[in-house]
Amino acid sequence: KQEVTQIPAALSVPEGENLVLNCSFTDSAIYNLQWFRQDPGKGLTSLLLIQSSQREQTSGRLNASLDKSSGRSTLYIAASQPGDSATYLCAVNEIGSSNTGKLIFGQGTTLQVKP
Amino acid sequence: EADIYQTPRYLVIGTGKKITLECSQTMGHDKMYWYQQDPGMELHLIHYSYGVNSTEKGDLSSESTVSRIRTEHFPLTLESARPSHTSQYLCAPNHYGYTFGSGTRLTVV
Repeated sequence: KQEVTQIPAALSVPEGENLVLNCSFTDSAIYNLQWFRQDPGKGLTSLLLIQSSQREQTSGRLNASLDKSSGRSTLYIAASQPGDSATYLCAVNEIGSSNTGKLIFGQGTTLQVKP
Repeated sequence: EADIYQTPRYLVIGTGKKITLECSQTMGHDKMYWYQQDPGMELHLIHYSYGVNSTEKGDLSSESTVSRIRTEHFPLTLESARPSHTSQYLCAPNHYGYTFGSGTRLTVV
């Protein structure tokens, strides 16, 4: 059974720092991995999608990497800003005999960027 | 990228009422999904559809039902709402990645 784990559960940093959020998954048979952002009480905003054949994706100050063989992904945020404060969720779309296209989510990392 | 709309955004309703949460998308994608998220908790799949007239139950047991009569609409219905149904409900099509709607935050009193 696929399990997704995110470390740390919470992170507080001063503005301007570069930071890394970690995501690990137990089964490397995945179609893709997606990083989302969720603000309190809101829906999910897609940040980056990495296909299984890709190693990384970049969007602005965000860079996500994928090492499928080791079951790991990282989300790198450069020059963090207070507006980056949110919960970041990692989710994998797995391959399998019962593949439904569903996402398996991690528990999330709650980020606070202090001015 | 799909435009995905969920209504209502917030709903407070009394126990025993029937409710329908609307989800619609404009891009004609076949695969659509409903996830449930309790406050501070992980998201869990409750229903999905591969296209018109296709509906399946997800991992998390739910008393809700869904229908898929048209490609663009994937509504979720609770026949008799209970306080245990209080949660956030998120809908999304899956087409080379998910695009979630803004969600419906349901409170049953």
